[in-house]
Amino acid sequence: GEDVEQSLFLSVREGDSSVINCTYTDSSSTYLYWYKQEPGAGLQLLTYIFSNMDMKQDQRLTVLLNKKDKHLSLRIADTQTGDSAIYFCAERYSSASKIIFGSGTRLSIRP
Amino acid sequence: DAGVIQSPRHEVTEMGQEVTLRCKPISGHDYLFWYRQTMMRGLELLIYFNNNVPIDDSGMPEDRFSAKMPNASFSTLKIQPSEPRDSAVYFCAGSDTTSGANVLTFGAGSRLTVL
Repeated sequence: GEDVEQSLFLSVREGDSSVINCTYTDSSSTYLYWYKQEPGAGLQLLTYIFSNMDMKQDQRLTVLLNKKDKHLSLRIADTQTGDSAIYFCAERYSSASKIIFGSGTRLSIRP
Repeated sequence: DAGVIQSPRHEVTEMGQEVTLRCKPISGHDYLFWYRQTMMRGLELLIYFNNNVPIDDSGMPEDRFSAKMPNASFSTLKIQPSEPRDSAVYFCAGSDTTSGANVLTFGAGSRLTVL
C-alpha cells in the first residue's frame, strides 16, 4: 500500500544536529522530498532528492537516501530555535504524479 | 505572483451545512492537489488534477466530498452535508511538472470547524 512513515516527535538541544528519519514504500519513486511547516502556515519545500542520488547537501541540510532499505533522512546541522517546525517527508510515485506525505515529525529545540 | 490563494482561511459551520473551499493556483501550474491535515491522520491526499482533469480521487473520504476544476485558475472542494469529523485544515497545492521535480507550492490552508 501507499505509506510514508515518520516518528512523530524529536527534541534536540540548540546547536546540536537534528536527524529526522522516514521510510517509504514505492521502490520506484522518482523523487523524495522534505517539506517544513511552521505554525498556521502551509508546507514549504526544504529540499528534494532524485532517486538516482544517495546524498544531497544544501547549506545546513543533508539528505541521505538508502534505496535498498527505502529510507530517507534529513540532517539539520547546528539546529537553531528557528528550525522548530513540523517536517514532512514525501514521495512521488513513479506510476503517477501523486505525491504522498508522511504524518510529519515535530521538531522542538531546547536551550 | 501572489502564490496559491485559498479561501476562506477559517470557517465554522454547523453539522449538515454545505461547505465550499476555494483555491486559485499559480498561473502555469498544470497539477493541482487537495490535501487534508488532521492530528490523527496527518496529511492525506484527497484528489489531484492534471490540466483541470481529475486524475485520482481515491482519497476522497466519501460521496459527501466533491471537487471540481472548471478552469486552470480555479478549483473548489465541496462537502455536503458536513459532519464534525470533517473538521481539519484543507490545503490546496500546485506544481509545474515541466521542471521535472514536481515541487509543490502550498496555499496557507482553510481551517474548517464543523460543530
